[in-house]
Amino acid sequence: DAGVIQSPRHEVTEMGQEVTLRCKPISGHNSLFWYRQTMMRGLELLIYFNNNVPIDDSGMPEDRFSAKMPNASFSTLKIQPSEPRDSAVYFCASGRLATSTDTQYFGPGTRLTVL
Amino acid sequence: GESVGLHLPTLSVQEGDNSIINCAYSNSASDYFIWYKQESGKGPQFIIDIRSNMDKRQGQRVTVLLNKTVKHLSLQIAATQPGDSAVYFCAEKRNSGGYQKVTFGTGTKLQVIP
Repeated sequence: DAGVIQSPRHEVTEMGQEVTLRCKPISGHNSLFWYRQTMMRGLELLIYFNNNVPIDDSGMPEDRFSAKMPNASFSTLKIQPSEPRDSAVYFCASGRLATSTDTQYFGPGTRLTVL
Repeated sequence: GESVGLHLPTLSVQEGDNSIINCAYSNSASDYFIWYKQESGKGPQFIIDIRSNMDKRQGQRVTVLLNKTVKHLSLQIAATQPGDSAVYFCAEKRNSGGYQKVTFGTGTKLQVIP
C-alpha cells in the first residue's frame, strides 16, 4: 500500500499567486481530510469529505480557500490568491470512517511558503 | 515582529526509561481515542487507539490508559528509545451531525536523551 500521496512536497510562491495542492487517498478509503499545521495554531482541520461530498468545511479560513474531490482517488486544495499567512504544512489524510473505530492515515504533507 | 508560536509541552526522558505522555480531552461524548506520533518533517502516524468502553489497551512497548471520569488519556512508552523522539498527539472522535468528528490535541514533544 502506497499510503496517502501528496504533491508537491514543497511549494514556494509569491503573494497573490494561485496554489493548488493535490492528494491521492488510500484506495478503499471513503473519507478524506485536509489539515493545516503551523507553529501558531497547531494542527487544524480545514475540510472533510465523505464519499467525495464535502461534509464539514467550517475550518476553511476564508473564501480564498477551496477544496474539491472529483472522484474517490483525488482531491485538491486551492488557495487563490495566496498570502504570506497561508505559509504552513498542509496535510491530507484518509480513512474509513463509516465505523467509529477506524482512524485517519496522513500523507507526508506539502510545505507551502508564500513570500 | 516575531510571531509567538505554540509552546508545546516537552518531556525529556533518559534512554531506557519509561515515558508517560498525558492528554486531557474535552468532550464526554467522545467514543474513540487515538494517539499519533509525528516525527520531524513527516505527517502524524497512528500508534494506538482505544474505545471508550475500555480503560486500558496495550501494544508493542506502548500502553494507552483512559480515565473517562476525569476525561484523561495517557500514553506510556516502555524502554524509551532515541527513535521515539517526536511530537505525540492525542485525538478524540465523536459523532457530530451524523458523521465522525475528530479533534486533535496540541501535542507533547518527547525528547529522548541518549
